[in-house]
Amino acid sequence: QLVESGGGLVRPGGSLRLSCAASGFTFRSYGMNWVRQAPGKGPEWVASISANSDRSDYADSVKGRFTISRDNPKNSLYLQMSSLRVDDTGVYFCATEGLGYSEGSDFPLFDHWGQGMLVTVSS
Amino acid sequence: DIQMTQSPSSLSASVGDRVTITCRASQSISNFLNWYQQKPGKAPRLLIFAASSWQNGVPSRFSGSGSGTEFTLTIRGLQPEDFATYYCQQSYSPPFTFGPGTRVDIK
Repeated sequence: QLVESGGGLVRPGGSLRLSCAASGFTFRSYGMNWVRQAPGKGPEWVASISANSDRSDYADSVKGRFTISRDNPKNSLYLQMSSLRVDDTGVYFCATEGLGYSEGSDFPLFDHWGQGMLVTVSS
Repeated sequence: DIQMTQSPSSLSASVGDRVTITCRASQSISNFLNWYQQKPGKAPRLLIFAASSWQNGVPSRFSGSGSGTEFTLTIRGLQPEDFATYYCQQSYSPPFTFGPGTRVDIK
């Protein structure tokens, strides 16, 4: 199970920190992602972090403003968001990155998702 | 980044119908294609990975096909719980981009 927290209303230029608490699986074994969804739009991948935090990656739209991190002993994932813009508004989901096995190959997939947390950036 | 498109953007169908949704990638992604179902206020749910492999617990009325740049999701015998929005996602090359979605609603 994944449970997000920390969302809310923030002014443009402000900051917010999202948290994602994991339970029921071996959190430290999974890469993790943040995915957001603007109202009426498809999901947009935001950031990813490897299982042991040695690698992270960001969408161009958030690079330099958002930081993904994790605390494996606390089974928690975080997204520090700064310099927020109106177009950062949306529901933010944390998601596990698993691998599906088919015909001798591994296929990345997002197999478990949190319930989502609304972030509204507005003056 | 690889761009994903879907058609149609929405469709109306009746219980029991067969529904087909198409997803196209801007470049070849082999069969690194996932399908998700999303209901209002909920997170996406993985249905299909590797273009045609079922995720655990997904009913067999859902099937996927395709490779390269063109893919389809077919729902045979649409059920009331299948009315939702469906998204494709490429997992060939990061960032793992999603399509804009196809909304399936009741005729």
